[in-house]
Amino acid sequence: AQTVTQSQPEMSVQEAETVTLSCTYDTSENNYYLFWYKQPPSRQMILVIRQEAYKQQNATENRFSVNFQKAAKSFSLKISDSQLGDTAMYFCAFMNPGAGSYQLTFGKGTKLSVIP
Amino acid sequence: DSGVTQTPKHLITATGQRVTLRCSPRSGDLSVYWYQQSLDQGLQFLIQYYNGEERAKGNILERFSAQQFPDLHSELNLSSLELGDSALYFCASSVGSGGRKSTDTQYFGPGTRLTVL
Repeated sequence: AQTVTQSQPEMSVQEAETVTLSCTYDTSENNYYLFWYKQPPSRQMILVIRQEAYKQQNATENRFSVNFQKAAKSFSLKISDSQLGDTAMYFCAFMNPGAGSYQLTFGKGTKLSVIP
Repeated sequence: DSGVTQTPKHLITATGQRVTLRCSPRSGDLSVYWYQQSLDQGLQFLIQYYNGEERAKGNILERFSAQQFPDLHSELNLSSLELGDSALYFCASSVGSGGRKSTDTQYFGPGTRLTVL
């Protein structure tokens, strides 16, 4: 079974600064996908970014980028120019489509606070 | 707005009761997933339906059941409720079902907050 570990329960960052959230995972699969979801106080789950394991290039979405280290099984999220609206829980998630389902396995989450 | 709708938004009930949570997927999506988010267990996958058929099962209790109807909406039935069933229940949808090389992103609904007293 796959596991996802987020070792930072809480983090804070000053507005306009850069912050990196960590995520490690454990799998024996070679073809899989990784995601970062954001959950603001409204509780809505919002997709931030996704990465295909077979792609060496790190995914980027505007101010959000990832550092995907397949050999180390590490998938960190970097948020640049942090904004107050980035305050949320961030969940790292793993998907193994070869198992016949797109079900997601989530980490415990990191609570990020952006300080004005 | 993800396009996934869930009703009701909030539900308060007593132990031993039965409730039904409803989910309508995004237009064109054939898969529906149910997740439970609780303080102690975090976000857990419960069950997936694809085009009316059960596709995958996760940590779903025997007291819980789900189905997907011909119009593709899904219902999650929770019975003999216990205090520990209090949680936020999410529905998500995607176009495909899994088993292919290309991924298929899941879009989440706003969730149903269940409180068991």
